[in-house]
Amino acid sequence: DAGVIQSPRHEVTEMGQEVTLRCKPISGHDYLFWYRQTMMRGLELLIYFNNNVPIDDSGMPEDRFSAKMPNASFSTLKIQPSEPRDSAVYFCASSSRDRGMREQFFGPGTRLTVL
Amino acid sequence: GIQVEQSPPDLILQEGANSTLRCNFSDSVNNLQWFHQNPWGQLINLFYIPSGTKQNGRLSATTVATERYSLLYISSSQTTDSGVYFCAAPYGGATNKLIFGTGTLLAVQP
Repeated sequence: DAGVIQSPRHEVTEMGQEVTLRCKPISGHDYLFWYRQTMMRGLELLIYFNNNVPIDDSGMPEDRFSAKMPNASFSTLKIQPSEPRDSAVYFCASSSRDRGMREQFFGPGTRLTVL
Repeated sequence: GIQVEQSPPDLILQEGANSTLRCNFSDSVNNLQWFHQNPWGQLINLFYIPSGTKQNGRLSATTVATERYSLLYISSSQTTDSGVYFCAAPYGGATNKLIFGTGTLLAVQP
C-alpha cells in the first residue's frame, strides 16, 4: 500500500494568495483527518470526514479555511486568503475500522510558508 | 475535554541505553496511539494500544487504562531513535478525535 499521499510537500506563497493542499487516503479507509502542527500549538485536529461527509470541523480556525472530500480517494484543504500565521505543517491522516481498531495513519505532511 | 501529558519533555541518551517515556491522560480511553516523529518530520505509527502490552523489536508499550497512563519502553537505543515521541488519546469519548500530548524530544548520541 502506498500509504497516505499528500501534495505538495512544500509550499511557499505570499500573504493574500489562495493555497490548496491535497490528500489521497489509504485505499479502503473510510475516515480522513486534517491536522496542523505548529511550535506554539503542537498537533491539532482541524476537521475530519467519514465516508466523504464532514463530521466535525470545530478545529478549523476561521472562515478562511475550508475542506472538501468529493470522493473516497481525494480531499482538499483550502486557505483563502492566506496569512503568515497560517505557516505550519499540515498533515492528512486516514483510518478504517479494521478488527475494531481505529488506528490513524499519517501522510508525510505539507510544509506551508506564507510570506 | 481530555488532557494528555507526556514526560519527560526531553531526554538525552547514549547509544545503547534504555529509556521509559510516560503518557498520562485525564479520562478513560478506548484508543491510544504512540507515534515517532523523525527528524524529517514524518509521523510513524509505533503502537495502537488502548490497553495491555505490546512489543515490536526494541520497543514495547504498556497501557494501564484503569490508572490512565501508558508507557513506551525503548531498549538498546540507537541514533535512529532520535526525534519526538507523541502519544495521542481520543477526545470526549469519540474514538476518532485524537488529542496529542506535547511530546518527548529524544536525542540519542553515538
